[in-house]
Amino acid sequence: KNEVEQSPQNLTAQEGEFITINCSYSVGISALHWLQQHPGGGIVSLFMLSSGKKKHGRLIATINIQEKHSSLHITASHPRDSAVYICAVRVNNDMRFGAGTRLTVKP
Amino acid sequence: KAGVTQTPRYLIKTRGQQVTLSCSPISGHRSVSWYQQTPGQGLQFLFEYFSETQRNKGNFPGRFSGRQFSNSRSEMNVSTLELGDSALYLCASGTSGSANEQFFGPGTRLTVL
Repeated sequence: KNEVEQSPQNLTAQEGEFITINCSYSVGISALHWLQQHPGGGIVSLFMLSSGKKKHGRLIATINIQEKHSSLHITASHPRDSAVYICAVRVNNDMRFGAGTRLTVKP
Repeated sequence: KAGVTQTPRYLIKTRGQQVTLSCSPISGHRSVSWYQQTPGQGLQFLFEYFSETQRNKGNFPGRFSGRQFSNSRSEMNVSTLELGDSALYLCASGTSGSANEQFFGPGTRLTVL
């Protein structure tokens, strides 16, 4: 079993919909990152969390340390949000990655 | 501020050769991390450097090595290339490593024939 599990693997939404991507992990972590990867490979770091909740524009990320779970929410989704979203956790001196969630937002 | 730059962007090598990839971090960043991304294994952590010292290393064979220079620029080297080394190699810079926000470069796509 992968130490970092993301769900769903694929997600298709209509423009304007509220999106939730989930990440569960099975190890103790010092930080959790949400990354966005567009076709072509470029990766953008969206959030780094160690507790609580962060918001940036239409994106919200939450983490529950006790439940070992994080969620990434996108409000009022837009076709430009179409990308792969990757959850990554820092474990001791290592980084472990989820397999990613491929999001497609249709106009 | 200029972003993280990686050179070359694309590279084709043959089995048995060696390759050196370069990463220039954002000015003022002292941490550089390297990652390998393949369709089968996804993203995997290679190593992390801070102020010229390797702080962490992922589970990769000794053919994978790296270093960081006094100006924070970093190189990674892969010797005796194998077909399975074909991947996108990404570096990311930050102020103090992956426990803090990281800024990714565009990657180097390596193809081993």
